[in-house]
Amino acid sequence: QVQLVESGGGVVKPGGSLRLSCAASGFAFSDYYMTWIRQAPGKGLGWVSYISPRGSTIYYVDSVKGRFTISRDNAKNSLYLQMNSLRAEDTAVYYCARGWGSSGLTYWGQGTLVTVSS
Amino acid sequence: SSELTQPPSVSVSPGQTASIPCSGDKLGDKYACWYQQKPGQSPVLVIYQNTKRPSGIPERFSGSNSGNTATLTISGTQAMDEADYYCQAWDSSTVGVFGTGTKVTVL
Repeated sequence: QVQLVESGGGVVKPGGSLRLSCAASGFAFSDYYMTWIRQAPGKGLGWVSYISPRGSTIYYVDSVKGRFTISRDNAKNSLYLQMNSLRAEDTAVYYCARGWGSSGLTYWGQGTLVTVSS
Repeated sequence: SSELTQPPSVSVSPGQTASIPCSGDKLGDKYACWYQQKPGQSPVLVIYQNTKRPSGIPERFSGSNSGNTATLTISGTQAMDEADYYCQAWDSSTVGVFGTGTKVTVL
């Protein structure tokens, strides 16, 4: 069965860095767009970034451009999000999800909490 | 990308029909998806491409999209359907946008 397992969240000071990972299994990872979505405490869902199957197409929401970097290792069935210059407003649960476009985000991980606080 | 507006809450009696609107400029020209999120859980896709249900999603969930409004309809609502629901739209641009979310309460 399809599984997405995020890791790497934690508490970090403003200006700090974290690297999130998402381990995928149960499907042909290299065939799919992958996406990072975040949800601030008590708030709605918001786009962070997505990456095409071979990494040739990448998108970032304006608020993270220049600070976050999405990447993938198809040999390791893994998705990553390098987060630098973190701000308090980046505090959220970060989900990795499979998919993109009109077919929707068909599978989601359990999420990993990132807290940016001094 | 344009904003998508949903009512903050919708209440429905068990067995009745709940309709959740999602409004956005020319939304009918785009594809809409809907996600269900229960407390403490990850979102689940319940409708994609306006009207299609993923495998395993009950038939009581249906969707439509026309004009400026996409609608998720839950027929014969059950207590287990109590959750937050988010619409999401895609068009020819590179990114989708999420709606503001609606909390469905089954009274």
